[in-house]
Amino acid sequence: GQNIDQPTEMTATEGAIVQINCTYQTSGFNGLFWYQQHAGEAPTFLSYNVLDGLEEKGRFSSFLSRSKGYSYLLLKELQMKDSASYLCAVRDNPPGANNLFFGTGTRLTVIP
Amino acid sequence: DAGVTQSPTHLIKTRGQHVTLRCSPISGHKSVSWYQQVLGQGPQFIFQYYEKEERGRGNFPDRFSARQFPNYSSELNVNALLLGDSALYLCASSLDGSSGNTIYFGEGSWLTVV
Repeated sequence: GQNIDQPTEMTATEGAIVQINCTYQTSGFNGLFWYQQHAGEAPTFLSYNVLDGLEEKGRFSSFLSRSKGYSYLLLKELQMKDSASYLCAVRDNPPGANNLFFGTGTRLTVIP
Repeated sequence: DAGVTQSPTHLIKTRGQHVTLRCSPISGHKSVSWYQQVLGQGPQFIFQYYEKEERGRGNFPDRFSARQFPNYSSELNVNALLLGDSALYLCASSLDGSSGNTIYFGEGSWLTVV
């Protein structure tokens, strides 16, 4: 089966740094995605990791360790607008290349 | 360029009815997938289509069906609606069916079954 775990909720202060962890156990692996989802809206693509290491994109960074089945999303210089759910998703092996398995998401609340 | 577009954005149906949801992928994208997201949960995979062929199917009953058209747009059909089918239905597109492509989501169709 597929199992993706993330913390349910996190709270952080505006201007601070927050790390959202994701662990996974899946039958296949072909990359890990992070999406941001504001309440009532669709998921927005943040990052994609397929090789081990850190991918940096502005205030957002994502790390992957395939041997540990572990990833994290790092958000720096938090802003109030970063309050949202953050979804970790693992892509299955081809041919189901668009078959993403999602965690339940981490609801991040940024406080002043 | 337009992103993934879905219609309708919101709809209300009665138990037992049928619903058709539509999706147009990003221009140039040939692979479309459908996901169901129940409130408080992550999206769950329903179908993937590439070049009009089904490439994958999630753990959903036969009441759920889909198809992809020559222009790569797609429809998701749900028959004999149940209250539990109330959810946000998301369409996602990517360039093709291979790995390495980013997957983009549409705004979704909110379905309420009463």
